[in-house]
Amino acid sequence: GAVVSQHPSWVICKSGTSVKIECRSLDFQATTMFWYRQFPKQSLMLMATSNEGSKATYEQGVEKDKFLINHASLTLSTLTVTSAHPEDSSFYICSALPYMNNEQFFGPGTRLTVL
Amino acid sequence: AQSVAQPEDQVNVAEGNPLTVKCTYSVSGNPYLFWYVQYPNRGLQFLLKYITGDNLVKGSYGFEAEFNKSQTSFHLKKPSALVSDSALYFCALFNDYKLSFGAGTTVTVRA
Repeated sequence: GAVVSQHPSWVICKSGTSVKIECRSLDFQATTMFWYRQFPKQSLMLMATSNEGSKATYEQGVEKDKFLINHASLTLSTLTVTSAHPEDSSFYICSALPYMNNEQFFGPGTRLTVL
Repeated sequence: AQSVAQPEDQVNVAEGNPLTVKCTYSVSGNPYLFWYVQYPNRGLQFLLKYITGDNLVKGSYGFEAEFNKSQTSFHLKKPSALVSDSALYFCALFNDYKLSFGAGTTVTVRA
């Protein structure tokens, strides 16, 4: 089946530093990848849609300069949280959408804690 | 505009009893509907989906869901719940290449 990985699984960083999270589709090519943010016991909120080779489309209220997304290949998208602050602490989940498919495959998530 | 609603924050059932998690949707056009389950500190696991065809969809781990167009519902069901089914369940609607998630329902199955 389609597998999506995320790295790292857990990250703890100091306030003001930047953190990069990788999302990889391991056995398929994903023309589109999505980044979600989830607060404890809440639903997933779509942050941005990333298409390979083009700029990401951010949802309303998401700061594109703070959450940098790069989709450099059909199997890799990265989310960089720049100048992280404690309020950025959250669970970040990516998903990948194969070409001409209507089912997204989700990564296992990355727990970010900013001290 | 599309939307998904899960009217119950929590569902509690005894092991062996039937489990139902409710979901209603609103969308123009044909809905593509999904159910996912999430365990603590984990990503989402796919349970089942409705695209077209039979209104009763069978999925993973003994779950099934019934698509009801007139009631715009897609309730998740399991005839006999297990303690291991305790988790957070999300209904989602796929439209315009995006997934919209319901708020989630926490299911607790007591032994």
